[in-house]
Amino acid sequence: EAGVTQSPTHLIKTRGQQATLRCSPISGHTSVYWYQQALGLGLQFLLWYDEGEERNRGNFPPRFSGRQFPNYSSELNVNALELEDSALYLCASSLYLSPTDTQYFGPGTRLTVL
Amino acid sequence: AQTVTQSQPEMSVQEAETVTLSCTYDTSENNYYLFWYKQPPSRQMILVIRQEAYKQQNATENRFSVNFQKAAKSFSLKISDSQLGDTAMYFCAFNQGAQKLVFGQGTRLTINP
Repeated sequence: EAGVTQSPTHLIKTRGQQATLRCSPISGHTSVYWYQQALGLGLQFLLWYDEGEERNRGNFPPRFSGRQFPNYSSELNVNALELEDSALYLCASSLYLSPTDTQYFGPGTRLTVL
Repeated sequence: AQTVTQSQPEMSVQEAETVTLSCTYDTSENNYYLFWYKQPPSRQMILVIRQEAYKQQNATENRFSVNFQKAAKSFSLKISDSQLGDTAMYFCAFNQGAQKLVFGQGTRLTINP
């Protein structure tokens, strides 16, 4: 069974541009989560989508947004990129049977903002 | 706010030794889940083990086991017969609902031959 997949592996942008990151969950999983892993800041929860709706949001500005498609895949969009947005962005998926379902992670997208 | 603390930034042991990674957390809730994830140099975050707070029995998965002390809010990971492939960053994580995982800062574990 395929795991969570993310694309691209690496993404290089300049300050002010927009970045789009993509995630495909494990087959049968309806919930998708996004986390930011920035150097020195650890792993921070960004967004949770389930059944096409945004269910929870971390402490990030509105220029971090996303969506979930009918096939449960998801996009994370980061507008007006800033240097401090450089980080590894991890996507995870889970079944949504309870609020504490185990999350399974993808390999991540390394975003570099120059 | 919930917090997770891993007090050991780095640890290093010889192959085949046993190593214990520490984790403490802070919450006022009674029902929650705790996890240990490992992140090798490949960056893929891999689930190692999980523990439900309502279960008194400590979770085990082959060479990996936890010591869950609910009153002390402690959740340590023991790796027995350590192997070179266990070299990775290990993250303790907490989820009490709303699907939001709260992570510790991580412990970099190196297994030496």
